[in-house]
Amino acid sequence: DTEVTQTPKHLVMGMTNKKSLKCEQHMGHRAMYWYKQKAKKPPELMFVYSYEKLSINESVPSRFSPECPNSSLLNLHLHALQPEDSALYLCASSQPTRSYEQYFGPGTRLTVT
Amino acid sequence: KNEVEQSPQNLTAQEGEFITINCSYSVGISALHWLQQHPGGGIVSLFMLSSGKKKHGRLIATINIQEKHSSLHITASHPRDSAVYICAGYGGSQGNLIFGKGTKLSVKP
Repeated sequence: DTEVTQTPKHLVMGMTNKKSLKCEQHMGHRAMYWYKQKAKKPPELMFVYSYEKLSINESVPSRFSPECPNSSLLNLHLHALQPEDSALYLCASSQPTRSYEQYFGPGTRLTVT
Repeated sequence: KNEVEQSPQNLTAQEGEFITINCSYSVGISALHWLQQHPGGGIVSLFMLSSGKKKHGRLIATINIQEKHSSLHITASHPRDSAVYICAGYGGSQGNLIFGKGTKLSVKP
């Protein structure tokens, strides 16, 4: 199984809502990543978890809150978002002790109204 | 500073043509990833390479470590190859990816 799954595929939320994005992998990878991608731009790294510990936070606003409950699961909790946060949110995973090759999920298309 | 630069930014080809996308990278990049993204879609990994050449179907990726340059070739291009192709380098202790700006490929029938 070389798949990273993400749910939901699409999400529309208001600025006062609280929602969560979910990412799952069963490849035994111990590093997981959240990226944000705006239209016609490359992905931007948001967070990295390594062995279930947050190792990189790229100065992301606190309205984005990551969580890694176990080695297979990564969540991104969203609260009080702004319309400019509308983007494709991509999850990826890799095995830090091997080649670092990252496997990407299909993404969640988020629209903030 | 770790950097990855791609060219061209946009590429239009006729079906059947041989296509080349180029990527140059800076010191500190240890391996390169070629990625494909269809409009509105997620990212698919095509190749990861740190030396030599890899082939999968009609896709070929090469890397020249001395010149810090990699190319992605598509033989016998097809309209379904139309997508954005992204070169990304691994640099940094966490294995972070540094992305190029992407090449938008359109293959006309």
